[in-house]
Amino acid sequence: ELKVEQNPLFLSMQEGKNYTIYCNYSTTSDRLYWYRQDPGKSLESLFVLLSNGAVKQEGRLMASLDTKARLSTLHITAAVHDLSATYFCADEPGYALNFGKGTSLLVTP
Amino acid sequence: DGGITQSPKYLFRKEGQNVTLSCEQNLNHDAMYWYRQDPGQGLRLIYYSQIVNDFQKGDIAEGYSVSREKKESFPLTVTSAQKNPTAFYLCASRGQGVTEAFFGQGTRLTVV
Repeated sequence: ELKVEQNPLFLSMQEGKNYTIYCNYSTTSDRLYWYRQDPGKSLESLFVLLSNGAVKQEGRLMASLDTKARLSTLHITAAVHDLSATYFCADEPGYALNFGKGTSLLVTP
Repeated sequence: DGGITQSPKYLFRKEGQNVTLSCEQNLNHDAMYWYRQDPGQGLRLIYYSQIVNDFQKGDIAEGYSVSREKKESFPLTVTSAQKNPTAFYLCASRGQGVTEAFFGQGTRLTVV
């Protein structure tokens, strides 16, 4: 069974703090995708990680990929309220993206 | 503007009815996908199409049907055989090569 597991599923953090979301996947895919979803909205692409050791950063978010461990991380630095959303990771078992259940992030003052 | 357009945004279905959700893209993408999202859940693949006139079942295809007669269009029909159709439906498309999938704004389907 193809599995993409995110941890944690719910995260409440204070503004200014750092935290990491973990994404474990079961396939041998060497590609990993991160998306953001605001409540009631569609998905917005954040990062595309294409190889082992890939690291990408955009603002306060940084994503990395370790294909040997089948692990990707999304690190949040100095969180702000605007980052409150649900974050999904997805691997690619050959034909379509396979999504995790998402991590709901709430950043509080 | 290039993008993916889903319509309608909200759809209400009576028991026993078939309904069709529209998905159109002008990105010249070959591949198109339909996902279903339930509250608090990830996205589950219903159907996908890599080229015109060809499509494949995803993980939860039962009770759904699709067609791909044109590159730009990939409509999804939710049939009366789908016993629990209330969900948020997302259409996506993807270009050739290794790229991310781009999503439409979604259709929220409710059974009344």
